[in-house]
Amino acid sequence: EAGVVQSPRYKIIEKKQPVAFWCNPISGHNTLYWYLQNLGQGPELLIRYENEEAVDDSQLPKDRFSAERLKGVDSTLKIQPAELGDSAVYLCASSYGTGNTGELFFGEGSRLTVL
Amino acid sequence: AQRVTQPEKLLSVFKGAPVELKCNYSYSGSPELFWYVQYSRQRLQLLLRHISRESIKGFTADLNKGETSFHLKKPFAQEEDSAMYYCALSRTDSWGKLQFGAGTQVVVTP
Repeated sequence: EAGVVQSPRYKIIEKKQPVAFWCNPISGHNTLYWYLQNLGQGPELLIRYENEEAVDDSQLPKDRFSAERLKGVDSTLKIQPAELGDSAVYLCASSYGTGNTGELFFGEGSRLTVL
Repeated sequence: AQRVTQPEKLLSVFKGAPVELKCNYSYSGSPELFWYVQYSRQRLQLLLRHISRESIKGFTADLNKGETSFHLKKPFAQEEDSAMYYCALSRTDSWGKLQFGAGTQVVVTP
């Protein structure tokens, strides 16, 4: 099994440009998460989906960040416009059910560099 | 709000020596605690969870509610234990919203 698939793995853009990240969760996992990981820090939750519904997006900076999960499978995270401080690794994860076992399956991450 | 603190950024130990990674948390409720690990060039993955009370790859962790700690221990470190370790906390009313510590890099030298 491929696990959680993310693309692109690396992205370099200039500030004020838009960027989008894509995530394909493990088949059958109805809960999907986007985490942000700054250098030297642990991951921080941006948004959590149960099927196609965003059930927790309190940490998502909604002025420039948006996310969607159409049809309850793949998800896209967008930043527009990007700022220098957005340089980080964006991690997608999925779990079966509500994640109450605590086991999230993470993708390899998308590393964003904003110049 | 809950918080997870891992006081050591780097832990260097010799092969065969005991290793202990410290994790302290602050949360007024009853948390669920986990250890995640990221080996070099691999993705972040669950190592163990306190509710399972299991030993994974020789590692154990005991939840001490009095000291609000969840330290990870292994009696004899191996070179393959070299990795980044993250302690994480989840509230039972918000599963999946893991609060991670900043992580501890473990280097096991022969």
